[in-house]
Amino acid sequence: NAGVTQTPKFQVLKTGQSMTLQCAQDMNHEYMSWYRQDPGMGLRLIHYSVGAGITDQGEVPNGYNVSRSTTEDFPLRLLSAAPSQTSVYFCASSGQGSNHYNSPLHFGNGTRLTVT
Amino acid sequence: GQQVMQIPQYQHVQEGEDFTTYCNSSTTLSNIQWYKQRPGGHPVFLIQLVKSGEVKKQKRLTFQFGEAKKNSSLHITATQTTDVGTYFCAEAGGTSYGKLTFGQGTILTVHP
Repeated sequence: NAGVTQTPKFQVLKTGQSMTLQCAQDMNHEYMSWYRQDPGMGLRLIHYSVGAGITDQGEVPNGYNVSRSTTEDFPLRLLSAAPSQTSVYFCASSGQGSNHYNSPLHFGNGTRLTVT
Repeated sequence: GQQVMQIPQYQHVQEGEDFTTYCNSSTTLSNIQWYKQRPGGHPVFLIQLVKSGEVKKQKRLTFQFGEAKKNSSLHITATQTTDVGTYFCAEAGGTSYGKLTFGQGTILTVHP
């Protein structure tokens, strides 16, 4: 199993450009999510999905779109890149837990995005 | 939403010294997960605590969940250079759906 695969690893964009960060998982996990990591702020949730065809906003959704057409894939789209979106982006997946035990997140290797 | 405060932000230790990072919340936490992120890497799950007062150990790492379920700690005994990285706590709520609220993280540096 490859786990969670993210592409690209690095990306430089100019302000106003658009792009899609790819994420795929081969663990048949129901839940997938996107986080951004900025210094001193931990990881903040952008969007998440509880299954194919179902997505919802997280803490910092503005400027990002997602879709989940299959269980395996959860791409993140930046519609019009801004310097404030310079960050490290992590995709994660997890399975269903039971009672109050939550299945742990499995993270991809991340995408380092710079917007100039 | 739930806020989890983590301290300290940075910790520099000599190899062999102990290290502790703390997570605090003003409200009761359903559970707490701990992750480690090596420099340049991605977060990796360490452990989950669910019960009030729970203590779990993984070799030199000891994880505690407070009696009131409002705080948690990770203690590393006799740090090694392999312990370098950022340690995050995260709260998932009753049913997470992959939605975790992360603390700000503690960056640990170990000097040989």
